[in-house]
Amino acid sequence: EIVMTQSPGTLSVSPGERATLSCRASQSVSSNLAWYQQKPGQAPRLLIYGASTRATGIPARFSGSGSGTEFTLTISRLQSEDFAVYYCQQYNDWPPLTFGGGTKVEIK
Amino acid sequence: EVQLLESGGGLVQPGGSLRLSCEASGFSFSSYAMSWVRQAPGKGLEWVSGISGSYGSGSGGVTYYADSVKGRFTISRDNAKNSLYLQMNSLRAEDTAVYYCAKDATLSTKARLVGWFDPWGQGTLVIFSS
Repeated sequence: EIVMTQSPGTLSVSPGERATLSCRASQSVSSNLAWYQQKPGQAPRLLIYGASTRATGIPARFSGSGSGTEFTLTISRLQSEDFAVYYCQQYNDWPPLTFGGGTKVEIK
Repeated sequence: EVQLLESGGGLVQPGGSLRLSCEASGFSFSSYAMSWVRQAPGKGLEWVSGISGSYGSGSGGVTYYADSVKGRFTISRDNAKNSLYLQMNSLRAEDTAVYYCAKDATLSTKARLVGWFDPWGQGTLVIFSS
């Protein structure tokens, strides 16, 4: 099973600042990596797939990068609606499909 | 608009059973693989099970499970009813979670499971009661 590790667990950022979230896989997942955003009481929403391709309707301030075992989600200028929990997920080698433990982005 | 609507959650006793349903609309349901993903209270996301779509004249339905539920849960689909199901037996306290139905975000060759999801349903809560 591929273990996905996200860091940090919580990120405190001021509105307008940049947020950088990390995701590491226990073995290579190539570019088969997705990012999701989840707000309290809501279902997750797809942000990024293929490690760097934004899903339909996702603002350009969200960008993904990386391949192999190291991945990054960057939110260039945080807006109030971006404060949420973010999960990475690999779909390269399964079952099982596996998620990281999440990074909570909170208001500083 | 693609919509996924789960139902069937509720209180369950030790060793009990529950059947979750997910009614889909707004897309060609039979062509897409589908999954169930769960989230325990205050915890992260855990993929539970997935099922392939239908390809050609076949009914599809290749199934996959997480080890934590294998032998206890059964995923199925009824393409005529645009519905996905999760039959959960021998339920345990650690099965307490919100269960989300999720659609594969893209079509794949032979309707196989690709494994990244868009959209997700709103979830249905399964609570273990001792």
